Amino acid sequence: GAGVSQSPSNKVTEKGKDVELRCDPISGHTALYWYRQSLGQGLEFLIYFQGNSAPDKSGLPSDRFSAERTGGSVSTLTIQRTQQEDSAVYLCASSLAGPDTQYFGPGTRLTVL
Amino acid sequence: AQSVTQLDSHVSVSEGTPVLLRCNYSSSYSPSLFWYVQHPNKGLQLLLKYTSAATLVKGINGFEAEFKKSETSFHLTKPSAHMSDAAEYFCVVRRGAGGGNKLTFGTGTQLKVEL
Repeated sequence: GAGVSQSPSNKVTEKGKDVELRCDPISGHTALYWYRQSLGQGLEFLIYFQGNSAPDKSGLPSDRFSAERTGGSVSTLTIQRTQQEDSAVYLCASSLAGPDTQYFGPGTRLTVL
Repeated sequence: AQSVTQLDSHVSVSEGTPVLLRCNYSSSYSPSLFWYVQHPNKGLQLLLKYTSAATLVKGINGFEAEFKKSETSFHLTKPSAHMSDAAEYFCVVRRGAGGGNKLTFGTGTQLKVEL
């Protein structure tokens, strides 16, 4: 079956521009997570959606970052006024039964020039 | 707050020899612990997880890990390395029951397997 998909796979943008990253979770998975993987660092939790509950935004690094999940399925991570330090791989994961077993997408590599 | 420390950023072994990737954790509560693997240009894959059942956990591809509360460790082992094991490995902690949704990842250990 289809896994978690993300688009685009690569995104190059100029400093100050806005970007949108998309995540399609595994069908039927109610939980969706966004992480950031910067060069030489581990994964950093950004945000978590569970069903219709209010999202856990505790990992978002600044108010330039926001995310939506429409219809309990697809999610979009938006970064406004991008900065060079936003360059990283952004990973999306989904899970069926809570956060324990998360299935990860291939990621979107964002480069801010 | 919880955290994990992966003691080695790079480990190199010969094919057929044992693998040991070290991880220490810190958690105020009984944690859940995981190992994930990331092969080049591929997504993260769960290797194994500990969630307060048996302390010796067996995962995929012959890997296993032992939860040692007295040592706050969760080291990953494999008796005999294979070339296909070359990848980056992440130790991950989640706070225990009622602990919320946040997974905290270590900085990763790059495993190199040589002929």
